[in-house]
Amino acid sequence: AQSVTQLGSHVSVSEGALVLLRCNYSSSVPPYLFWYVQYPNQGLQLLLKYTTGATLVKGINGFEAEFKKSETSFHLTKPSAHMSDAAEYFCAVGGSNTGKLIFGQGTTLQVKP
Amino acid sequence: DTGVSQDPRHKITKRGQNVTFRCDPISEHNRLYWYRQTLGQGPEFLTYFQNEAQLEKSRLLSDRFSAERPKGSFSTLEIQRTEQGDSAMYLCASSLVGGENQPQHFGDGTRLSIL
Repeated sequence: AQSVTQLGSHVSVSEGALVLLRCNYSSSVPPYLFWYVQYPNQGLQLLLKYTTGATLVKGINGFEAEFKKSETSFHLTKPSAHMSDAAEYFCAVGGSNTGKLIFGQGTTLQVKP
Repeated sequence: DTGVSQDPRHKITKRGQNVTFRCDPISEHNRLYWYRQTLGQGPEFLTYFQNEAQLEKSRLLSDRFSAERPKGSFSTLEIQRTEQGDSAMYLCASSLVGGENQPQHFGDGTRLSIL
């Protein structure tokens, strides 16, 4: 079985500040981990993914995430927030042979000027 | 790569009516997924196809729901006798087969509102 917990349904940062969105997962098989971003009334856009290999993965728009197996975590970070980063962020786990994704409940990122 | 296309973007209907949504995946993608997203929640898996074969259905997919993917290209999701609880965003995603690290590409969804 697989599950995802995103800690903090709402995160607020100032423009230029560090962004940290937390994700913990549970998986009975080696996990594949993803972060997606969703803007209002749109679908999900892939930010980055971890499958195997390097545990620090870089994505689009300056985001990166680190896979920590011992902590079952895959937190998303960005050194400096932009106003355009305000959106809903979803962490997801895959790895079953179907490829289906299990999503967390999402974290709304607010960026204050 | 023209992306995943979903139609319609919005659907408003009365309770008890039938509705059908369409998804056109990225052309070379042989896997197609349907998810449902309610307000304030993450997407929940409904079903998926590999080519034309429907290989898994979630328990969320009641008997009122049916999905097809004839010829392994576009897919349709039909909801019969709609209920208030069916109000949600229905998302379609597609991917390649070739290891489970293939990312899913999502469409912009169909938002269903039941009056």
